[in-house]
Amino acid sequence: SQQGEEDPQALSIQEGENATMNCSYKTSINNLQWYRQNSGRGLVHLILIRSNEREKHSGRLRVTLDTSKKSSSLLITASRAADTASYFCALKSRGSNYKLTFGKGTLLTVNP
Amino acid sequence: NAGVTQTPKFQVLKTGQSMTLQCAQDMNHEYMSWYRQDPGMGLRLIHYSVGAGITDQGEVPNGYNVSRSTTEDFPLRLLSAAPSQTSVYFCASRTDRGSNEKLFFGSGTQLSVL
Repeated sequence: SQQGEEDPQALSIQEGENATMNCSYKTSINNLQWYRQNSGRGLVHLILIRSNEREKHSGRLRVTLDTSKKSSSLLITASRAADTASYFCALKSRGSNYKLTFGKGTLLTVNP
Repeated sequence: NAGVTQTPKFQVLKTGQSMTLQCAQDMNHEYMSWYRQDPGMGLRLIHYSVGAGITDQGEVPNGYNVSRSTTEDFPLRLLSAAPSQTSVYFCASRTDRGSNEKLFFGSGTQLSVL
């Protein structure tokens, strides 16, 4: 099963700025999910976007999906110090009902 | 509502020892899974289950056994621990009904094999 690849590996911004993370993949997907992991904690689901959707919003989060380019982006607007965490994209490949594969993550640091 | 509970939080083993990592969920989820997280590798799926009595292998199943006798519990067994199994282990569950595929994660077990 394929793994998404996040870019950049690390991102450091100031509070109030926007943060954009990208995820690229290689084969067809059923859906793509984004998760956040605070240091030393379990992952927390942020948002799911299906292959027939192009954009979804949740609070300060905006996710886009371009299936022709096989890529997704996660935008966090007006970032806060509490947004400091690792962010992972997770793919459910087409034809795979139960396997969700995770990328290696982007480490976001928001400086106060 | 406790969600997904993993025990222990930390464990140190010697090579060759066996142990069981416990995972319990109270959300009546059909699907449960185990991942390991290693630096620079992301999360990799070890085993998963879609209901009591039904388990299947993920990406990295070697060295691990699972069983699912109840909906609530999904223990992960290391029969003969090896240093390569030093990792952080996460259990995750979700409902298999409807279109909500959101995974709920436990807080992890940090395992060191010496």
